[in-house]
Amino acid sequence: DIQMTQSPSSLSASVGDSVTITCRASQSIRTYLTWYHQRPGKAPKLLIYAASSLQTGVPSRFSGSGSGTDFTLTISSLQPEDFGSYYCQQSYSTPYTFGLGTKLEIK
Amino acid sequence: QIQLVQSGAEVRKPGASVKVSCKTSDSSFHITWLRQAPGQGPEWLGWINSYNGNTEYAQSFQGRVSMTTDRSTNTAYLDLRSLRSDDTAVYFCARFGSGGNSGVWFDPWGQGSLVTVSS
Repeated sequence: DIQMTQSPSSLSASVGDSVTITCRASQSIRTYLTWYHQRPGKAPKLLIYAASSLQTGVPSRFSGSGSGTDFTLTISSLQPEDFGSYYCQQSYSTPYTFGLGTKLEIK
Repeated sequence: QIQLVQSGAEVRKPGASVKVSCKTSDSSFHITWLRQAPGQGPEWLGWINSYNGNTEYAQSFQGRVSMTTDRSTNTAYLDLRSLRSDDTAVYFCARFGSGGNSGVWFDPWGQGSLVTVSS
């Protein structure tokens, strides 16, 4: 199975800050990388697919980049509603696997 | 707008089975099932083609899991057998999306169904 490693595991930032979350795959997954956001007690919500394509309705302050094994999710101008956990997921091969998540706290 | 509404929480003893349902707003898309243990990332269980009923299960669940759909009621079902305490998790259904070089994504998700396995 492909292992997905996210860093950091948690971070704290202020409204208006820019934050970057990293996801590394244990082997090349080309651009088969998806990002989700999850608030406590809620289901995950799709943010970005194919490493850099923004899902319809997702604010443009979210962006993704990368290919191969290294990927990043950047949130520019952080908003209060951006708190929660962020997960990356690979779909290069089954079983589709997720990272352990990055917990974002708003200061 | 696509909506997925899942059945309620369940409590089972080790060795028992559980069936979770997922009612969708229509049957024009495929369904995937995932679970999330407390403090963990989601774990993919498999998916079902809503048109022909073909399934693909994660190998770690082979032999214990079944996914079915009832197109007449727009409802998908997850059956998990021989439950163990480490099967305790919130189980989610989601629309299974895919597109050429875009890979696979899951959106939207149901609200989740807590399954607790305890003696």
